[in-house]
Amino acid sequence: IQMTQSPSTLSPSVGDRVTITCRASQRITTWLAWYQQKPGKAPKLLIYKASTLESGVPSRFSGSGFGTEFTLTITSLQPDDSATYYCQQYKSDPYTFGQGTKLEIK
Amino acid sequence: QVQLQQWGAGLLKPSETLSLTCGVYEESFSGYFWTWIRQTPGKGLEWIGEINHSGTTHYNPSLESRVVMSIETSRNRFSLELTSVSAADMGIYYCARGPQSIADRPIVDAFHIWGQGTMVTVS
Repeated sequence: IQMTQSPSTLSPSVGDRVTITCRASQRITTWLAWYQQKPGKAPKLLIYKASTLESGVPSRFSGSGFGTEFTLTITSLQPDDSATYYCQQYKSDPYTFGQGTKLEIK
Repeated sequence: QVQLQQWGAGLLKPSETLSLTCGVYEESFSGYFWTWIRQTPGKGLEWIGEINHSGTTHYNPSLESRVVMSIETSRNRFSLELTSVSAADMGIYYCARGPQSIADRPIVDAFHIWGQGTMVTVS
């Protein structure tokens, strides 16, 4: 299953709201996760089952979608949100990731 | 708090075998599939495969011919071997906790916990 993210990069300002889109090449119901990765660190799980927030993740992060179209929304952007964000499907192996969206906060 | 700590040789010559091990601390080791994921400039994040406590494995077809995973349940650790490495295998390798294992089958889940990563260079 191929995962396609858009856009590749975003350059919002502190306080903005951003939306990242992920499209699956096949229907995956809600078996989708979002990760945040900062330079030199492992990816960190933010959201699983398309919309369930991982424990400890701020409520500024939210996810939605079903089937083949999914979105990650971040509200009230903070400087610490600068990172690359990845979607991943886990409906069936081989589990696959999107190519990433780099968020550069001005 | 569950932790994954990984180790292994990070500098290899072409055609050598990559060997990495991941230790699992404070977790129900037998209840999950344990996973290897890599991040390369060419393919981004790529799932390599998974193994559970009984040795059941699932590998990515793109790497299956070169991958062997093993597990030591008595020591709460699992390992990856990737044979015949080339420059295309350069990147960061991560271990992670995969889906729950029930009746030797993975129960769908994301990767909640990751190791710190190991940089692999082939030169």
